[in-house]
Amino acid sequence: NAGVMQNPRHLVRRRGQEARLRCSPVKGHSHVYWYRQLPEEGLKFMVYLQKENIIDESGMPKERFSAEFPKEGPSILRIQQVVRGDSAAYFCASSPGQYSLLSTEAFFGQGTRLTVV
Amino acid sequence: AQTVTQSQPEMSVQEAETVTLSCTYDTSENNYYLFWYKQPPSRQMILVIRQEAYKQQNATENRFSVNFQKAAKSFSLKISDSQLGDTAMYFCAFMNTRDDKIIFGKGTRLHILP
Repeated sequence: NAGVMQNPRHLVRRRGQEARLRCSPVKGHSHVYWYRQLPEEGLKFMVYLQKENIIDESGMPKERFSAEFPKEGPSILRIQQVVRGDSAAYFCASSPGQYSLLSTEAFFGQGTRLTVV
Repeated sequence: AQTVTQSQPEMSVQEAETVTLSCTYDTSENNYYLFWYKQPPSRQMILVIRQEAYKQQNATENRFSVNFQKAAKSFSLKISDSQLGDTAMYFCAFMNTRDDKIIFGKGTRLHILP
């Protein structure tokens, strides 16, 4: 049973371009969480999604950032018109249901390191 | 708002020694969970140990144990018989039972020296 898969592992974008980060949850998991890790910082919550629904996006910047988790396919975190300050590692975690992130079935992916040049 | 504070940015200990990483948190919630995550150079986030706030008994996982002091809002991690593979960033984290947002501290970089 594969864990959470994130791709790409590394992504380089020029300022103003779009970045699309993909997260495939553990098979059977219907809940996905995105976190951002700035250099030398802990992870900060961005958004929590269920299939076709955004449950909590209180950590998402108001502009340029969006996330989706369609019925079929991976969850996508999209950053439009990237700026240098968007450079960070973006982590995805999945769980089988609400309030179960704390279970041993909750996994984090290996992250996508976004570099904006 | 909940906050998690790790006051030790970096620590080094000799292999086989015991090391304790500090963590304090602030919350008005009564029901919550606390975690320690390990992030090795591979960047994978690995759950090391978790503690339910309603349990008085300190959690233990092999060489890893916690000292949970609820009144003091303290949650330290003790690593016994440290090994070279324990070298990593360690993050203390908090989650209340109302939602699944995990709040992380800024981390402690631990070096195990041969």
